[in-house]
Amino acid sequence: NAGVTQTPKFQVLKTGQSMTLQCAQDMNHEYMSWYRQDPGMGLRLIHYSVGAGITDQGEVPNGYNVSRSTTEDFPLRLLSAAPSQTSVYFCASGEWATEAFFGQGTRLTVV
Amino acid sequence: ILNVEQSPQSLHVQEGDSTNFTCSFPSSNFYALHWYRWETAKSPEALFVMTLNGDEKKKGRISATLNTKEGYSYLYIKGSQPEDSATYLCASPSGGYNKLIFGAGTRLAVHP
Repeated sequence: NAGVTQTPKFQVLKTGQSMTLQCAQDMNHEYMSWYRQDPGMGLRLIHYSVGAGITDQGEVPNGYNVSRSTTEDFPLRLLSAAPSQTSVYFCASGEWATEAFFGQGTRLTVV
Repeated sequence: ILNVEQSPQSLHVQEGDSTNFTCSFPSSNFYALHWYRWETAKSPEALFVMTLNGDEKKKGRISATLNTKEGYSYLYIKGSQPEDSATYLCASPSGGYNKLIFGAGTRLAVHP
């Protein structure tokens, strides 16, 4: 059972480039979320989804785009990378009122 | 979006000490309170999900209590071991969904 799989694990981008962080889960969870982790700030919610076709913004959505065409996949798109988006990104999935399961994280550096 | 706060930010204890830390959250429209353990270079892993006022959960040497009326939860570690060194996060859903909002975490270091 793979759980939550994120790719890539590491990425370096130049300012202005775009890219997509992939997230897939095989637990048939309704809820999926993207977080970023910055020093001293814990996990901040970027976007989340409560099911296929339904997404909404979290605490820090600017500069990111998401879509949820299937239950399994929830990609995060950086439209035009900025140095402020240098961070570690985590994808998570879960069911209502139960624990969230996290992917292994993607370490992104924007130069 | 609700505000989840944790204290202290960091904690250094000696092996064998017992310790505790606090998570506070808005008491109105409460749905659940999650605790996660996050080791360096790994992903957060769930310890507890608590939903009822007065709830108390235990996993080995780690336990947690919940007071939804006053908006706080305590996490206790009895007889800390070096392998307990990690960041402990709490989170609460905002808006009734699994839109988990996390506190900044308490970083625990247990020294041999």
